[in-house]
Amino acid sequence: GAVVSQHPSWVICKSGTSVKIECRSLDFQATTMFWYRQFPKQSLMLMATSNEGSKATYEQGVEKDKFLINHASLTLSTLTVTSAHPEDSSFYICSPRGRGLSETQYFGPGTRLLVL
Amino acid sequence: QKEVEQNSGPLSVPEGAIASLNCTYSDRGSQSFFWYRQYSGKSPELIMFIYSNGDKEDGRFTAQLNKASQYVSLLIRDSQPSDSATYLCARSGSARQLTFGSGTQLTVLP
Repeated sequence: GAVVSQHPSWVICKSGTSVKIECRSLDFQATTMFWYRQFPKQSLMLMATSNEGSKATYEQGVEKDKFLINHASLTLSTLTVTSAHPEDSSFYICSPRGRGLSETQYFGPGTRLLVL
Repeated sequence: QKEVEQNSGPLSVPEGAIASLNCTYSDRGSQSFFWYRQYSGKSPELIMFIYSNGDKEDGRFTAQLNKASQYVSLLIRDSQPSDSATYLCARSGSARQLTFGSGTQLTVLP
């Protein structure tokens, strides 16, 4: 299967700071990147979709100015949580898709964010 | 009505039994469906996907899809304690994004 990495795996930060999460597809070119988040005891919810070289499309209720997504290359996408607050504490997971891949959808290992 | 609905459980089965997990969806245009397993604190792991009516088998797992009834299920045969996890059902949208159900927590008792 596809190899996907995320960094950092977990982060603790103070309220008001910004946190950058990296997602790398190691063995294929990710033309599309999905970013999901999962609050405790809840299921995964899609936050945004980005295509390489284009602006991301955000789901309803997700602030585009707060969650900045950069998908400048086919192997790297970043999600920056700006001015993080405790309610942003969640498990953030990326899911890249590439050209020619089957229906299989892979997920990164996730980044757990705790905002104090 | 939620797009994808699952019984939240918890569901408990004895070791060696068959675990049956169910999922319904509201969008008749949905094409592909996925079952993921998620251990606590971990990212989801793909078990299998299905897009044709009928059964699809992979080892101890069988996915069943009935588009007329808008119903997807996952059967786990010979359940093992290591199968204890939350099982997520998901449908794929037009842009291949996934919409997940709330998950069913399964416990396999030794």
